[in-house]
Formats: sequence, C-alpha cells, structure tokens
Amino acid sequence: DVKVTQSSRYLVKRTGEKVFLECVQDMDHENMFWYRQDPGLGLRLIYFSYDVKMKEKGDIPEGYSVSREKKERFSLILESASTNQTSMYLCASRTTGANNEKLFFGSGTQLSVL
Amino acid sequence: GENVEQHPSTLSVQEGDSAVIKCTYSDSASNYFPWYKQELGKGPQLIIDIRSNVGEKKDQRIAVTLNKTAKHFSLHITETQPEDSAVYFCAASKGSGYSTLTFGKGTMLLVSP
Repeated sequence: DVKVTQSSRYLVKRTGEKVFLECVQDMDHENMFWYRQDPGLGLRLIYFSYDVKMKEKGDIPEGYSVSREKKERFSLILESASTNQTSMYLCASRTTGANNEKLFFGSGTQLSVL
Repeated sequence: GENVEQHPSTLSVQEGDSAVIKCTYSDSASNYFPWYKQELGKGPQLIIDIRSNVGEKKDQRIAVTLNKTAKHFSLHITETQPEDSAVYFCAASKGSGYSTLTFGKGTMLLVSP
C-alpha cells in the first residue's frame, strides 16, 4: 500500500516563527501536493510539484513556500507563521500519466499558531 | 478557474436509508470527477470516480452519476451503515496527468443506527 507520512500529527507554534511541515511518500510518485483544510472551506491547494526541484503555485500560495530536493520528500514552509495559518495541512502524492489521477493523502498535520 | 459547489454541507440519515450528495462544476473542459471519503483523524481516500465519457458508475453500495450538459454529478450511497459516517468531498479536473483537482467544500454524513 502507498504510504504518505506527515512528520507531525499536531504542531503548536508562535506567531512569527518559521515552520517546516514534512511529507514523505514511499511509492516513487512524481507528483506531490500540499492542501490546507478548513471547516466550511474544503480542501484548498497551496503548492504542488511535478518532479524533483519543480514547484507550482496552487490557489492559495501566499505566506507559504515549498522545497522538493528529493523525489520522496516535499516540505511546506511557513516563513513567518501567522494566526490565520492555523489549519489542518494535508500532503498528497500521485503518479503521473493519463488515467492516474488518484491522490494518496497523508493523515494530516493540525497546526496551531498562537 | 474551476469552481465546484457541493450540497448539502451536512446530511443525517438512518441506517439502511439512501444518501445523495450533489456537486456542480463550472468549467466545461473538466472531464474527471472523483469522490473522496475522509474518516475522523485520517486523510481523504478515493472511493469512486467517473470520467466524462460515462454517465454512471457503480461499486457495490455506492454509485456516481454525471450529467455533462447540466455540469453536475452526484454520489449515491444505498443501504447506509454507521461506518459510512464521514466527510465526503467531490472534485473535478481536466483529467490529464498534469492537472490538479478542485474540491468541493465537503459534506458531513452521519448515519444513525
């Protein structure tokens, strides 16, 4: 089974801190994604990556950056955390090619910024 | 860009009843429509999907229907069970290997014994 592992289940940080959320997948997937999930807003795409060293902005990239130095690892970075970034963060991966759109999600990281 | 609307936001049914969740999309170029189920404390998991060249698809107690003309698609769950209780998300994309999914806001389904 595909496994997408997010390093922390719960995280509490202070306003202004630099925050790293880590995600690792074990299925050699080319594509990786970061979403945030908020009640009543569903899943919103922050950033995604088609391959190593590549990154693309999603729908809500402001205040975030990403890093993909290795194929299996995709990091989300909050340069200066703010209270409005308190949210559930979900990482996902998938292989590439037609008819391969299935996303595999991690269990999420609940981030609280105080 | 694509916009996906999902209704209802919450749905309560009795065990054994049917449940229907509806979604509409805005981009006529979208041709791939998956449904994800998210159980408490877990990430979403794909349960069924449909492409635009098909009007209906079934997998045991779940089915999805698609009306391309009206740009809406629906998830049908028959003979609901308590373990069906979860948040369900619909999504849409252009269906290529480099496209991204746009998700609806989710429906919390509660099945009471």
